[in-house]
Amino acid sequence: EVHLVETGGGLVQPGGSLRLSCAASGFTVSNYYMSWVRQAPGKGLEWVSVMYSGGSTYYADSVKGRFTISRDISKNTLYFQMNSLRAEDTAVYYCARGRTLDGGDYFDYWGQGTLVTVSS
Amino acid sequence: DIVMTQSPDSLAVSLGERATINCKSSQSVLYSYNSKNYLAWYQKKPGQPPKLLIYWASTRESGVPDRFSGSGSGTDFTLTISSLQAEDVAVYYCQQYSTIPRTFGQGTKLEIK
Repeated sequence: EVHLVETGGGLVQPGGSLRLSCAASGFTVSNYYMSWVRQAPGKGLEWVSVMYSGGSTYYADSVKGRFTISRDISKNTLYFQMNSLRAEDTAVYYCARGRTLDGGDYFDYWGQGTLVTVSS
Repeated sequence: DIVMTQSPDSLAVSLGERATINCKSSQSVLYSYNSKNYLAWYQKKPGQPPKLLIYWASTRESGVPDRFSGSGSGTDFTLTISSLQAEDVAVYYCQQYSTIPRTFGQGTKLEIK
């Protein structure tokens, strides 16, 4: 059975850093496109970043240059290093699996999310 | 970037009645080489992660009740709930996965009338 568990959220001051983790079970992270999607309080869903199975990475303009997506194959875990955090980065962050095997990248499994709050 | 625009922003429907949500993309998400529309629909309830309902614009995800259906092609898409149940109260999002950045619609809040 597929499971995704995010950890690492919390309260951080503006300009600070956090690293989110997404531990996967039931499948191999490196065989799929893996994304981070966030939802700010009272707002809609916003795609933030993806790591392709081949290792290529892409980011939304809102986080480019500040956030870095990575993975550890031995731990079957996806990471999201978030630097230079701003108040507008406050959100619940979800990791999501893209159902890559049929050529698509729609998100078939999601973690429960981890809340990141950027505030002084 | 492809902009996804949903209508309406909110919708109130009586139990057992039909609910229809529209999604329009700023450019086509249909790939001619495989004739597939790179469009998905999700259901989002408070405190829960989004749930995949529909992919390839009209393919229902396993386990999703058959009262949910998706239609459309190119730039115009529709999610239909044929007979609204109480558990369908949620926010619904369309999403394109044809290009980077992936983009979602702003969401449609569905309530019981």
